[in-house]
Amino acid sequence: AQSVTQLDSQVPVFEEAPVELRCNYSSSVSVYLFWYVQYPNQGLQLLLKYLSGSTLVKGINGFEAEFNKSQTSFHLRKPSVHISDTAEYFCAVRLTTDSWGKLQFGAGTQVVVTP
Amino acid sequence: NAGVMQNPRHLVRRRGQEARLRCSPMKGHSHVYWYRQLPEEGLKFMVYLQKENIIDESGMPKERFSAEFPKEGPSILRIQQVVRGDSAAYFCASSSGTSGGQETQYFGPGTRLLVL
Repeated sequence: AQSVTQLDSQVPVFEEAPVELRCNYSSSVSVYLFWYVQYPNQGLQLLLKYLSGSTLVKGINGFEAEFNKSQTSFHLRKPSVHISDTAEYFCAVRLTTDSWGKLQFGAGTQVVVTP
Repeated sequence: NAGVMQNPRHLVRRRGQEARLRCSPMKGHSHVYWYRQLPEEGLKFMVYLQKENIIDESGMPKERFSAEFPKEGPSILRIQQVVRGDSAAYFCASSSGTSGGQETQYFGPGTRLLVL
């Protein structure tokens, strides 16, 4: 069985500072990897995904993530955050062998950006 | 192009009542997924449906919960005889089903169920 661990439940950060959200996974088979963002009282929005190819993935709103197979990690980064980046961020995996692709999510990381 | 729509956005029920949650997938999408988010937790998969078929219900409680996706109309998640532990946000996601496991699931805004 696979699992997803988000190592930080909450990350406070100052506006214009960089942020890194950590995600590790375990799986006996290869996976696809996703980062979603959830703004208060809203649904989830896809930030970026890794399917194959280049291990550095760029997403929306200036976010990027790097897939590290040896460390089974998929950390999310942004070089300079805005107040509007305050939200909850979820890492998710899907087995490449799942033709219909249910997602397994981590517990989430709450990012709070302050001036 | 409208996104995934869910209604109601908020639902209050008393213990023992029934809750019906509706999900209209994005136009052209024939695959629907339901997830549940308990307070302070991530989303947990419940059920995956295609039109008129339940493909995987491995994440759905065996009792009181049921789901359907009829040929016409929205997908329905039904919870009978609700209990306080059913209080959660229920999210629906849809996908086109054309790209295998690589495709993106698009999420609706969720229904927040509160059981009194």
